[in-house]
Amino acid sequence: DIQMTQSPSSVSASVGDRVTITCRASQGITTWLAWYQQKPGKAPELLIYAVSSLQSGVPSRFSASGSGTDFTLTISSLQPEDFATYYCQQADRFPRTFGQGTNVEIK
Amino acid sequence: EMQLVESGGGLVQPGGTLRLSCAASGFTFGSYWMSWVRQAPGKGLEWVATIKEDGSEKYYVDSVKGRFTISRDNAKNSLYLQMNSLRAEDTAVYYCVRGGRSWGVWGKGTTVTVSS
Repeated sequence: DIQMTQSPSSVSASVGDRVTITCRASQGITTWLAWYQQKPGKAPELLIYAVSSLQSGVPSRFSASGSGTDFTLTISSLQPEDFATYYCQQADRFPRTFGQGTNVEIK
Repeated sequence: EMQLVESGGGLVQPGGTLRLSCAASGFTFGSYWMSWVRQAPGKGLEWVATIKEDGSEKYYVDSVKGRFTISRDNAKNSLYLQMNSLRAEDTAVYYCVRGGRSWGVWGKGTTVTVSS
């Protein structure tokens, strides 16, 4: 199984800050890496698919990059609605696996 | 509007069974792989199962193999998850999601609680 490890597990940031979350895979991934945002009591929402493709309707302050085993999600200027938990997920192979999540909190 | 609506969750005793359903609308259901993803209370996301458009391929996380069965009825635009021999660790919100790789459409989830 491909293990996905996110860091940090939690980050405190202020509105306007640049936030970067990293995701490391235990094996190399081709292109099937996605990022999700989840707010309390809600279903997750897809932000990024295929490593760096922005899902329709997602603000352009979200971007992502990476290759092989190392991937990043960046929020260029944190907005109040961005405080949430973020998950990476690999879809290269079965079983599909998620990172443990990164909680972005208000500083 | 694309929509997925889960049903069938509830409280069940260990060893019991439940069948989750997911009604799809707003898109051509039969053209998409479909999956189930769950989230235990206070925990992260876990992929459970995926089924191909025509039902000819099915994949499961190891912890549910032999106990859960994913199926679909394209004529009814519906996805199912038959859950047998339920365990306490199966307690979670179960989400129906569209796709086999990345999941851009999610239901609101249905809660399964396994407890005596």
